[in-house]
Amino acid sequence: NAGVTQTPKFRVLKTGQSMTLLCAQDMNHEYMYWYRQDPGMGLRLIHYSVGEGTTAKGEVPDGYNVSRLKKQNFLLGLESAAPSQTSVYFCASSYPELSVVFGPGTRLTVL
Amino acid sequence: AQTVTQSQPEMSVQEAETVTLSCTYDTSESDYYLFWYKQPPSRQMILVIRQEAYKQQNATENRFSVNFQKAAKSFSLKISDSQLGDAAMYFCAYRSHNSGTYKYIFGTGTRLKVLA
Repeated sequence: NAGVTQTPKFRVLKTGQSMTLLCAQDMNHEYMYWYRQDPGMGLRLIHYSVGEGTTAKGEVPDGYNVSRLKKQNFLLGLESAAPSQTSVYFCASSYPELSVVFGPGTRLTVL
Repeated sequence: AQTVTQSQPEMSVQEAETVTLSCTYDTSESDYYLFWYKQPPSRQMILVIRQEAYKQQNATENRFSVNFQKAAKSFSLKISDSQLGDAAMYFCAYRSHNSGTYKYIFGTGTRLKVLA
């Protein structure tokens, strides 16, 4: 099993550009999450999904959109990137009673 | 809303010694899960240990153990016989056991340095 994979691993954007981060899991997990990690702030939840076709806002959803068209994939979109979105982004997935499993992270820099 | 607090931004320990990382949380719920995750320089988040709130017995995983004090809402991680490979950021996390509440709430992390 590959677990949770994220594409790309690194990306540099200019302000105003758009991009999509792809997360895939092969563990048949129901729940998937997108977090951002910033120094001194831990991990903050952006959006999450409790099943195929569902999404919900987390703690810091502004400027991001998500989609879960297939159970194994969870996409995070930035419509118009801003320097404040420079961060490391983690995707994660879990079953209801199991511990969350994280992907390797994507380092995004917005100039 | 639930919160998780890690009041030690950085800790140091001598190799082979024991260190304890602190975590406190706030919740009005009675049933929940608590976790410690390790993040080495590779950035990968790795589950260290997990505790169900309804269990009175403290969880243990080899050199890692917790001191879970439910009434005090405290969940500390003890690392025994520290090794150089234990150097990492450690995050405490909370998750409700209630159906429909699937969010994990993380603390701000403690950076552990292991001195040779």
